[in-house]
Amino acid sequence: SQKIEQNSEALNIQEGKTATLTCNYTNYSPAYLQWYRQDPGRGPVFLLLIRENEKEKRKERLKVTFDTTLKQSLFHITASQPADSATYLCALGGGATNKLIFGTGTLLAVQP
Amino acid sequence: DSGVTQTPKHLITATGQRVTLRCSPRSGDLSVYWYQQSLDQGLQFLIQYYNGEERAKGNILERFSAQQFPDLHSELNLSSLELGDSALYFCASSVRSLALGTDTQYFGPGTRLTVL
Repeated sequence: SQKIEQNSEALNIQEGKTATLTCNYTNYSPAYLQWYRQDPGRGPVFLLLIRENEKEKRKERLKVTFDTTLKQSLFHITASQPADSATYLCALGGGATNKLIFGTGTLLAVQP
Repeated sequence: DSGVTQTPKHLITATGQRVTLRCSPRSGDLSVYWYQQSLDQGLQFLIQYYNGEERAKGNILERFSAQQFPDLHSELNLSSLELGDSALYFCASSVRSLALGTDTQYFGPGTRLTVL
């Protein structure tokens, strides 16, 4: 069955450093991959989308890579700030219904 | 603010009861999705509706049902509630970008259900 793995352990980094989060998947060939941010008790918020034929996508301090051979996406936040602290979810999409399959998320904590 | 509204924000009820959660999608969005998120769990996809018709089903229990009305709002009905049904229930809406073949989902603030 389809499986998405994100670092279950929290990622703690110092303010100003680059945070790198990993999303690995198996038994799936997504047409695209998305990253969402979720704050405690709130709904996820869409950040970035990258398609299967794209290697890299950037938006301000965010960068996403997508390697369909490795079945992996990396999500980078450069010059991280305490306000970036949240859980980050990756989601795979595609197919007739375009149903999204979400990973369990990685909690990022940026220390001042 | 995503433009997706959910009511109520909080719901406390007893085991065996039935509740209805309501969702209004963003203006123009035809698809509505329902998700369950338990403590320390990921988002579990329950069901999707597109323009009033069921489109995809996930791990939705038989005690749960949903529908999408002609005005595109949706309701999730949970019956014979159990303690384990306590969770955050999210609704999301989207309009599939036919040109791009993608489906960005916009999530509501969620309904926190507590079953005592």
